[in-house]
Amino acid sequence: SAVISQKPSRDICQRGTSLTIQCQVDSQVTMMFWYRQQPGQSLTLIATANQGSEATYESGFVIDKFPISRPNLTFSTLTVSNMSPEDSSIYLCSVLRQGSYGYTFGSGTRLTVV
Amino acid sequence: AQSVSQHNHHVILSEAASLELGCNYSYGGTVNLFWYVQYPGQHLQLLLKYFSGDPLVKGIKGFEAEFIKSKFSFNLRKPSVQWSDTAEYFCAVSDSSYKLIFGSGTRLLVRP
Repeated sequence: SAVISQKPSRDICQRGTSLTIQCQVDSQVTMMFWYRQQPGQSLTLIATANQGSEATYESGFVIDKFPISRPNLTFSTLTVSNMSPEDSSIYLCSVLRQGSYGYTFGSGTRLTVV
Repeated sequence: AQSVSQHNHHVILSEAASLELGCNYSYGGTVNLFWYVQYPGQHLQLLLKYFSGDPLVKGIKGFEAEFIKSKFSFNLRKPSVQWSDTAEYFCAVSDSSYKLIFGSGTRLLVRP
């Protein structure tokens, strides 16, 4: 399975600022996804990161708040913009390789907004 | 849109008791089904998955799940739980969009 490096692993940020999370995969993958896990909650899909084009966002998530880039088949970033304490969550990158039905998850970024 | 329901939000069992956690999904087409476990303070770990074939799937740590297409269900079972099974369990489903959608999770507490 793919190996994911997700950075940073954790951060404490001031409200109103932005944080960019990076997801680097050790091999080319077909699909890349970003999830949010709020405290005590399940994983919620934010968006599908599309190579070279705009990400596809799920209901309740917008590009202005969560801009996503995917310049190639192995790298993606998620930015959490104009943060508020409600954005405090774990953010996870997930990938799916072509021909495989196995999803691999990054170790997550634990974000605390103060 | 695909949705996943886990009806048991909290389950408390004694060691050696049998476990069954419910999972139902909404999509009527071809789906792939997963159960993940998250131990306290740890990352997601895949327990088992179903793509096709035998609807009874065996996973790690003695867990199994049965896919019942007519009931849109994929319930997780374990004949005899251990204290170390205390964790949160998530059912997840993907369809032709490849998006993996998670249920709300079930918190299992196993008392020694």
